Amino acid sequence: DTAVSQTPKYLVTQMGNDKSIKCEQNLGHDTMYWYKQDSKKFLKIMFSYNNKELIINETVPNRFSPKSPDKAHLNLHINSLELGDSAVYFCASSQESLGDWIRSGANVLTFGAGSRLTVL
Amino acid sequence: TQLLEQSPQFLSIQEGENLTVYCNSSSVFSSLQWYRQEPGEGPVLLVTVVTGGEVKKLKRLTFQFGDARKDSSLHITAAQPGDTGLYLCAGEGNSGYALNFGKGTSLLVTP
Repeated sequence: DTAVSQTPKYLVTQMGNDKSIKCEQNLGHDTMYWYKQDSKKFLKIMFSYNNKELIINETVPNRFSPKSPDKAHLNLHINSLELGDSAVYFCASSQESLGDWIRSGANVLTFGAGSRLTVL
Repeated sequence: TQLLEQSPQFLSIQEGENLTVYCNSSSVFSSLQWYRQEPGEGPVLLVTVVTGGEVKKLKRLTFQFGDARKDSSLHITAAQPGDTGLYLCAGEGNSGYALNFGKGTSLLVTP
């Protein structure tokens, strides 16, 4: 069983289209994240959700809208796709929530395998 | 901003050689983590270091957290082709609720 699963793994689309990437975790974790990895392999946090509530939105354009129907799912919808949106998007989850992991130092992020989005 | 700088950015070595990669910051972190990412996959946690000066070993990998908790290093002894991958260090971001990553060290070990 895959712990954090993302679909689709590859997505090729035209500029201006709207697309969604889905993420599900079966680890029972409380917190889920979306990260974007650019062509230079830089991994940057986009959003964090804790128990379906948005905790972090790192100045991501509002064309990006995360949705968490329950704590096991965090989907990413992107409107009006632009060339610069091409990247690999990673979903991740962690057991600890809020700032608890900072104190324990034990928080582990479990990542999905990534969804490569190419905008033409 | 709690930036993590990694060096070197790229490293190509032959099997059997030793190497060290570095993760530096001007900020103090409560803990730092190291991840390895293989092509087509997500990053996987290798280790978390929590105490300043701490040294952790994972088979041929040795991780050290600086005394001031601003830097960390990863040393690999007798590198093998299976060690090939992108090594990322990560620490808590400004918000405290997510990890910020360094830009990674891309390691290639050739037979």
